[in-house]
Amino acid sequence: DIQLTQSPSALTASVGDRVTISCRASQTMNIYLNWYQQKPGKAPKLLIYAASTLHSGVPSRFSGGGSGTDFTLTISSLQPEDFATYYCQQSYTTPLTFGQGTKVEIK
Amino acid sequence: QVQLVQSGTEVKKPGSSVKVSCKASGGTFTTSSVSWVRQAPGQGFEWLGRIMPMQGKANHAERFQDRVTITADKSTGTAYLELSRLRSDDTAVYFCANEDMSMVNYFDPWGQGTLVSVSS
Repeated sequence: DIQLTQSPSALTASVGDRVTISCRASQTMNIYLNWYQQKPGKAPKLLIYAASTLHSGVPSRFSGGGSGTDFTLTISSLQPEDFATYYCQQSYTTPLTFGQGTKVEIK
Repeated sequence: QVQLVQSGTEVKKPGSSVKVSCKASGGTFTTSSVSWVRQAPGQGFEWLGRIMPMQGKANHAERFQDRVTITADKSTGTAYLELSRLRSDDTAVYFCANEDMSMVNYFDPWGQGTLVSVSS
């Protein structure tokens, strides 16, 4: 199985800050990497697919990058509605797997 | 865009089975695949398997191979997840998700989730 390791596990930031979350895979997987946002009690929402393609309707302050084994999710200017938990997920091979999540909290 | 509506909370005894449904809006599947993913309390996500509703072809994560059955009724636009021999560590929110397989597979949208609680 492909293991995805996110870092950090949690971070505290202020509105307006630039935030970067890392996702490292245990084996190379081209660009088969997606990012989701989850708020408490809700289903996840797709933000980025294919490592860097912004999903329709997602604000442009979100961006993704990377390929192979190292990927990033960046929020260029954190907004109040962005405080949530973010997960990476690989679709390169089954079983499909997720990172453990990064919780973004308000400073 | 398709919307997925799941069945309600289930409370089960250890050793029993549960069947969760996921209905596509409009009653028909336009999606190529529906996956099932679970999230234990305070934990991350675990993929259980997927089905291609129009073909009826399913595959499951190996660790659930003998306990999970994923089916679909294309006439009603409903996918089902059945999990047998329930244990307390199966307590989780179970999500179905439309899996777009046109380029790089991704999950969008997700159902609202179904809480399955397993306790004696």
